[in-house]
Amino acid sequence: GGIITQTPKFLIGQEGQKLTLKCQQNFNHDTMYWYRQDSGKGLRLIYYSITENDLQKGDLSEGYDASREKKSSFSLTVTSAQKNEMAVFLCASSLTAEVFFGKGTRLTVV
Amino acid sequence: QQQVRQSPQSLTVWEGETAILNCSYENSAFDYFPWYQQFPGEGPALLISILSVSDKKEDGRFTIFFNKREKKLSLHIADSQPGDSATYFCAASNMGYKLTFGTGTSLLVDP
Repeated sequence: GGIITQTPKFLIGQEGQKLTLKCQQNFNHDTMYWYRQDSGKGLRLIYYSITENDLQKGDLSEGYDASREKKSSFSLTVTSAQKNEMAVFLCASSLTAEVFFGKGTRLTVV
Repeated sequence: QQQVRQSPQSLTVWEGETAILNCSYENSAFDYFPWYQQFPGEGPALLISILSVSDKKEDGRFTIFFNKREKKLSLHIADSQPGDSATYFCAASNMGYKLTFGTGTSLLVDP
């Protein structure tokens, strides 16, 4: 088995701040994803990457940047945090159709 | 545009009953349909999945019924247990990389 580690677990930012979320996986999976989870809205895809140095935009990419530094790591940057924003950001990885998720980073913007 | 819809938003059943969670989709190209289970503070975890070539998939107490013509599927949880209380997400893809998720059903099993 493997594990997806997301850091930090909790992130409090200020309005307008640039914030970076990190994700590491030891499954040796090729594809990695960032999803945003809002209460009542399910999971929405922000970015994904099918291999090292590849980046593909999801449905919610505006306001975010991503970086796939190496096969095992995938970072997400909130370019300008929005006041009162609260969401959970989930990192995931897959080799085939089955997608494995991390436990999430909980973002609060004050 | 919500391509994957789930109902009900929340559901309460008694222990031992069968819980039925519904899902529908719009994109005819979708051919892979996983259901994910999520507990508070955890990430979603794959529970059971079905391909569009099948109309039924069973795994223990969990069964997916799939109707391709109507673009609908349902997850049946037989003999529901309090430990099944969680949020369940229906998702869909065309065997590619991008899962599209529904908004989830919050299930509460009363003992």
